[in-house]
Amino acid sequence: GDSVTQKQGQVTLSEDDFLFINCTYSTTTYPTLFWYVQYPGQGPQLLLKVTTANNKGISRGFEATYDKGTTSFHLQKASVQESDSAVYFCALVKYNVLYFGSGTKLTVEP
Amino acid sequence: EAAVTQSPRNKVAVTGGKVTLSCNQTNNHNNMYWYRQDTGHGLRLIHYSYGAGSTEKGDIPDGYKASRPSQENFSLILELATPSQTSVYFCASGDWDWGRDTQYFGPGTRLLVL
Repeated sequence: GDSVTQKQGQVTLSEDDFLFINCTYSTTTYPTLFWYVQYPGQGPQLLLKVTTANNKGISRGFEATYDKGTTSFHLQKASVQESDSAVYFCALVKYNVLYFGSGTKLTVEP
Repeated sequence: EAAVTQSPRNKVAVTGGKVTLSCNQTNNHNNMYWYRQDTGHGLRLIHYSYGAGSTEKGDIPDGYKASRPSQENFSLILELATPSQTSVYFCASGDWDWGRDTQYFGPGTRLLVL
């Protein structure tokens, strides 16, 4: 079935470091893909969306590019801040249902 | 402003007891969802609904029932709670029509089954 996979369970960086979180997907179609962010004590919230039409999403300094060749959808940020500490989920939608990866916990140290 | 609310926010239940988690949305979205979140598993889909009167099974429906009596309300029911159902539960509403591709989550309910 359709799924997304995040192998990095935790990432620890220092402020101003480059962020790269890996996500791969499996589907029989060209899906719309999402990155959600979850801050402590809150529900997940949409960070950005990428479709086959635009291939790239940018929001709040984060960027994700859709690579159909490698079925990957990585999240990047050039310079992280302590306030970016959160859990990041990639997800795909099919038949109006979102399916999430297991999440990557980002800790940014000052 | 898009809003999804959940009640209660925290719940302690006894094994074998009945638990009802409630969700309300003011987004006028047709679709609503219940997920549970456990460390190492991310968000797993329990039940969802395409509109009032409809419920569908998600990936992990065993031990849970759902009810969608209206556009705004979606409940998750644990008829016989077990300790393995201790988790954080999130409700969400979504709109996928015409490329809007939007899903909003509630703040979550922490459930502890003793």
